[in-house]
Amino acid sequence: GENVEQHPSTLSVQEGDSAVIKCTYSDSASNYFPWYKQELGKRPQLIIDIRSNVGEKKDQRIAVTLNKTAKHFSLHITETQPEDSAVYFCAASSDDKIIFGKGTRLHILP
Amino acid sequence: EAQVTQNPRYLITVTGKKLTVTCSQNMNHEYMSWYRQDPGLGLRQIYYSMNVEVTDKGDVPEGYKVSRKEKRNFPLILESPSPNQTSLYFCASSFSRGQSYEQYFGPGTRLTVT
Repeated sequence: GENVEQHPSTLSVQEGDSAVIKCTYSDSASNYFPWYKQELGKRPQLIIDIRSNVGEKKDQRIAVTLNKTAKHFSLHITETQPEDSAVYFCAASSDDKIIFGKGTRLHILP
Repeated sequence: EAQVTQNPRYLITVTGKKLTVTCSQNMNHEYMSWYRQDPGLGLRQIYYSMNVEVTDKGDVPEGYKVSRKEKRNFPLILESPSPNQTSLYFCASSFSRGQSYEQYFGPGTRLTVT
């Protein structure tokens, strides 16, 4: 079946450094790629998304890149801060299906 | 305040005892969905609904039922819960009829089946 692979499962970076999380998908019909952040004990919340007609999108310290040919997309967080510590989920969606990655636990080290 | 609500937030029950988890949204969203979250498995979709009286299976529908009689409500029903349904459940909604839009998640329901 269709799936979304997300790597790494755990990531530790020094405060102020950059973090990169990568996802690959298998469904060619996917046209929407959101990233959700889930803080401990909280609900997932959208932080950035990208559609298939765009290669890159940026919002302050976070950016997402998409390579449709290779079927992979990445989340980039620059100048990481303690409040970036959370679990991040990528997803690949078409009009009638959405599949989430298994998540990346990001630790920001002081 | 725009929100998705779920009840109950925590539930401990026994095998075989039917239960319902309610989900309600006040944003007039057409699309609603249920997920379960398990350690190491991420979010897996159970059922979704594109509109009133329109529901469809997600990736892990076995053992669950849903209904969408009103636009704002999308209850999740476990007719005969089993221990492997112990999980954290999230309801979500989106303004679009499709899945290709931002989803707003409820606060979650932690279910334990003994």
